[in-house]
Amino acid sequence: AQSVTQLGSHVSVSEGALVLLRCNYSSSVPPYLFWYVQYPNQGLQLLLKYTSAATLVKGINGFEAEFKKSETSFHLTKPSAHMSDAAEYFCAVSDRGGSQGNLIFGKGTKLSVKP
Amino acid sequence: DGGITQSPKYLFRKEGQNVTLSCEQNLNHDAMYWYRQDPGQGLRLIYYSQIVNDFQKGDIAEGYSVSREKKESFPLTVTSAQKNPTAFYLCASSSVYGETQYFGPGTRLLVL
Repeated sequence: AQSVTQLGSHVSVSEGALVLLRCNYSSSVPPYLFWYVQYPNQGLQLLLKYTSAATLVKGINGFEAEFKKSETSFHLTKPSAHMSDAAEYFCAVSDRGGSQGNLIFGKGTKLSVKP
Repeated sequence: DGGITQSPKYLFRKEGQNVTLSCEQNLNHDAMYWYRQDPGQGLRLIYYSQIVNDFQKGDIAEGYSVSREKKESFPLTVTSAQKNPTAFYLCASSSVYGETQYFGPGTRLLVL
């Protein structure tokens, strides 16, 4: 069975500092992995996805994530935080439309950015 | 503009009442999904539909029902059997089942 663990339900950084949001996954087959962002009272917006091409994936708004199979991780980073990055971030895994083709979500990490 | 619309943005339910949440997409996607979001719990799958006229239960289907009579529409009914319906409900779609999901803006359901 697939699962996702996001370490840290809340992360706080200063404006201009590095953002690192952690995601570890469990999957019995090569996974698809996703990061979504949610602003208050809005739907989820796709930030980036890994679908077995390059292991370093670049997304929107300057975010990127690296797929590390040996560590079963897909951490999200951004070199310099901006106030507008304050939101909740969700990591998700799927088995590419197999028997469990639905997305399994982590519980989310709320990012705060201090001026 | 292609996208997913959900209505209403806010919905109030009285005790013993069934309410229906609307989800429409004009992306020509085959698959559609309903999720429930509670604070600190992430998203949990209620129902999904891989193709028109077909749907399957997700992890928390009890107290909910759906239909998929048209490709672009996937309404969710919250029945009186759902004892704790207060939550944020999100609809999503993907080109085919298992591919990247795109989300609507959500409906917040509150109980009077």
